[in-house]
Amino acid sequence: EAGVAQSPRYKIIEKRQSVAFWCNPISGHATLYWYQQILGQGPKLLIQFQNNGVVDDSQLPKDRFSAERLKGVDSTLKIQPAKLEDSAVYLCASSLFREEAFFGQGTRLTVV
Amino acid sequence: AQTVTQSQPEMSVQEAETVTLSCTYDTSESDYYLFWYKQPPSRQMILVIRQEAYKQQNATENRFSVNFQKAAKSFSLKISDSQLGDAAMYFCAYRSSSHTSGTYKYIFGTGTRLKVLA
Repeated sequence: EAGVAQSPRYKIIEKRQSVAFWCNPISGHATLYWYQQILGQGPKLLIQFQNNGVVDDSQLPKDRFSAERLKGVDSTLKIQPAKLEDSAVYLCASSLFREEAFFGQGTRLTVV
Repeated sequence: AQTVTQSQPEMSVQEAETVTLSCTYDTSESDYYLFWYKQPPSRQMILVIRQEAYKQQNATENRFSVNFQKAAKSFSLKISDSQLGDAAMYFCAYRSSSHTSGTYKYIFGTGTRLKVLA
């Protein structure tokens, strides 16, 4: 079974630039999560999708972050414009309903 | 709101010895899951073990076992016969359930870095 795929693995951008991350979940997983993990901290949920609908985006900074999941499969997370404090690892995870989440390898974003 | 606390930022263990990582949580829910995830330098979070709150029996997966104390809201991970490959960050996670929306939110602790000494 293929795992959760994320790209790119690394990204360095200047502040005020925009960036996008891509996630392809495990086939058949209806639930998709985006987490932000700042160095030295545990992952923090940014947004959760159930199929292509948003079920929780309470901690997503909506003035600069956006996410979509077209056709209930792949998802894209965008930051525009980026700030220095957005430097973190962005983890994507997916799960079957009521089952545990499986994580991708994450994208390490550095904003300079 | 639910919280997860890992009070040990770093732990060390000799190869082949046993180590216990601590986790406490706070919730008013009665139905939930608890997890331990391992995060090696590759950054991928790997599920180590899970525990359903309604089960009194402690979960076990090979060298990994938990001590789940529901009343005390404690969920510790014991690693027996530690191996060099066990070195990683370990995160305790709580998964809430929302029966009205059917959503399941994970809440993570701050992690414990485990070093295994040869």
